[in-house]
Amino acid sequence: GQQVMQIPQYQHVQEGEDFTTYCNSSTTLSNIQWYKQRPGGHPVFLIQLVKSGEVKKQKRLTFQFGEAKKNSSLHITATQTTDVGTYFCAGLGDTGNQFYFGTGTSLTVIP
Amino acid sequence: NAGVMQNPRHLVRRRGQEARLRCSPMKGHSHVYWYRQLPEEGLKFMVYLQKENIIDESGMPKERFSAEFPKEGPSILRIQQVVRGDSAAYFCASSLGTGNGYTFGSGTRLTVV
Repeated sequence: GQQVMQIPQYQHVQEGEDFTTYCNSSTTLSNIQWYKQRPGGHPVFLIQLVKSGEVKKQKRLTFQFGEAKKNSSLHITATQTTDVGTYFCAGLGDTGNQFYFGTGTSLTVIP
Repeated sequence: NAGVMQNPRHLVRRRGQEARLRCSPMKGHSHVYWYRQLPEEGLKFMVYLQKENIIDESGMPKERFSAEFPKEGPSILRIQQVVRGDSAAYFCASSLGTGNGYTFGSGTRLTVV
């Protein structure tokens, strides 16, 4: 079945440092989405990537979709305390019916 | 323009009771998904529904769990004869269609005592 793994599972950074989370799928993905979940909250959609090698930016966040469409990354430049939360990638499954969520990376930002 | 509405926010059930979780999708969304999340874990897909149809239930346990999305009213996730291991946060999401971004509800936190 579809498997989407993320590393690292946890990351602690000093405020101002950069942060990257990596997402890897066992199969080729049609597209990939990224979500952020604050502690005690619900996942919130951030972005969707569709094309091989695609790169998208949202202010300090940079999202990348691998050339083989089996991996993706999210990079945050100069983290702030508001970046705290768990970041999930989600890949569209083989059937194209639903997204399979990655294991998530929990980010803690130390002021 | 209400988002995805889930209720109740918190639900406590004794072992053996039934739990009913409700989800009203975002206006205009006809695709509904249910996910389960254990503390400090990821989101596990359970079921994908459209109006009156179950499209994919490959993530649903074979026994005690069922879901529906009737023509009128919210989608319902039903858990019969709950056990302690059913304690989790259950999130509902809706979308315009497959391949679109999901809008999640605030979730129902189920505690089985």
